Amino acid sequence: QSVLTQPPSVSGAPGQRVTISCTGGSSNIGAGYGVHWYQQLPGTAPKLLIYGDNNRPSGVPDRFSGSKSAASASVAIAGLQLEDEADYYCQSYDSRLGAYVFGTGTKVTV
Amino acid sequence: EVLVAQSGAEVKKPGESLKISCKGSYSNFKNYWIAWVRQMPGKGLEWMGMVFPADSDIKYSESFEGQVTISADTSTNTAFLQWSGLKASDTAMYFCARRNYDSGGRNWFFFDLWGQGTLVTVSS
Repeated sequence: QSVLTQPPSVSGAPGQRVTISCTGGSSNIGAGYGVHWYQQLPGTAPKLLIYGDNNRPSGVPDRFSGSKSAASASVAIAGLQLEDEADYYCQSYDSRLGAYVFGTGTKVTV
Repeated sequence: EVLVAQSGAEVKKPGESLKISCKGSYSNFKNYWIAWVRQMPGKGLEWMGMVFPADSDIKYSESFEGQVTISADTSTNTAFLQWSGLKASDTAMYFCARRNYDSGGRNWFFFDLWGQGTLVTVSS
């Protein structure tokens, strides 16, 4: 029921590059609201990974990068590591709902 | 340093009431929105609502309005989430998070500091 759609899972070998897509619409990503990404390691709280489409908070490795185009966004993980196994969520704001919305989530398997 | 600390796990029976807390230890607590996010077992993240401690302005997701009450106390830098009649379907992990924004005026609204989560189990 989320307005932001992500693939349920992606996988890659150590060292490979994977990307996770986030598809929204004209009242959220397409309306110019920023897209933000969170990493949730098993059994822990989500952690901000990317904010404002392509900005990394202090401490996040530069292996993680974000991009946005029209009503979609994506996050790429370069040089995949075992420690990157986690669930990843995109997030934006939806003006039609007047609500903060999360993507459906993507499980990354290394 | 733990900047956002939530209260401990709770086990309740259907129909009981509950209030869980979220204490912020960062500067200017009252001038940041604090959001509550639900994660049901094996599921994704859902924004429930949020409170602006400085003036107690509250915004609820349509899905949660009338089901929960959000509040804050600036004297203790604490936000709260409460239920007056729990249901089994309220069983979930609840996270609080600070909502930040772009000071340059871009439409960026994101959650940069998260609590560790409070597991609420409702079972007879």
